[in-house]
Amino acid sequence: DADVTQTPRNRITKTGKRIMLECSQTKGHDRMYWYRQDPGLGLRLIYYSFDVKDINKGEISDGYSVSRQAQAKFSLSLESAIPNQTALYFCATSGSWLAEPSEQFFGPGTRLTVL
Amino acid sequence: GENVEQHPSTLSVQEGDSAVIKCTYSDSASNYFPWYKQELGKRPQLIIDIRSNVGEKKDQRIAVTLNKTAKHFSLHITETQPEDSAVYFCAASIGSGGSNYKLTFGKGTLLTVNP
Repeated sequence: DADVTQTPRNRITKTGKRIMLECSQTKGHDRMYWYRQDPGLGLRLIYYSFDVKDINKGEISDGYSVSRQAQAKFSLSLESAIPNQTALYFCATSGSWLAEPSEQFFGPGTRLTVL
Repeated sequence: GENVEQHPSTLSVQEGDSAVIKCTYSDSASNYFPWYKQELGKRPQLIIDIRSNVGEKKDQRIAVTLNKTAKHFSLHITETQPEDSAVYFCAASIGSGGSNYKLTFGKGTLLTVNP
């Protein structure tokens, strides 16, 4: 089955460390997204990309960077992790064959703890 | 940017009762309104969506209604079952024929269906 995968699934790190979260998809989708989920705050968009050459900031991009290495891969980096970046991170993808918004498919999530 | 408000934050019903979750959005240009269900420890998954050219959409026990004038939309679940227990997120998106295919999510509603 075509899917969205994330690595690692869990990560504990220390303040100041550089961390990379990876997302891969076999759905053939052009659009990829990174979200952060905190209890009571819903899903907040960090970055999104509509093709390999297109990267856009979301509502909470400060302290994060991304790389779209290929159509199927979208990585999120925390250059210098801080404790308030402790959260559940989701990658998502959606297709672009419709000239309008469409369903987003989420990966299983990465639980990140910054000590 | 778009702002989506979701109410209530928690909802407890008896099995067989109906549940209603309401959302309002701020940007009148929004034209796509999906609802996602997230079971405990799982990834969000789309359960139903509606576009701005439609006022109501049904899929078995779930339905979504949209009032563009008032800028609000609602999720209705009838004959609730224990497996409906989850967090539900509404979202809104602007975008048609362009590149703004990003979702703004509400903060979520924890629905508990008591047997």
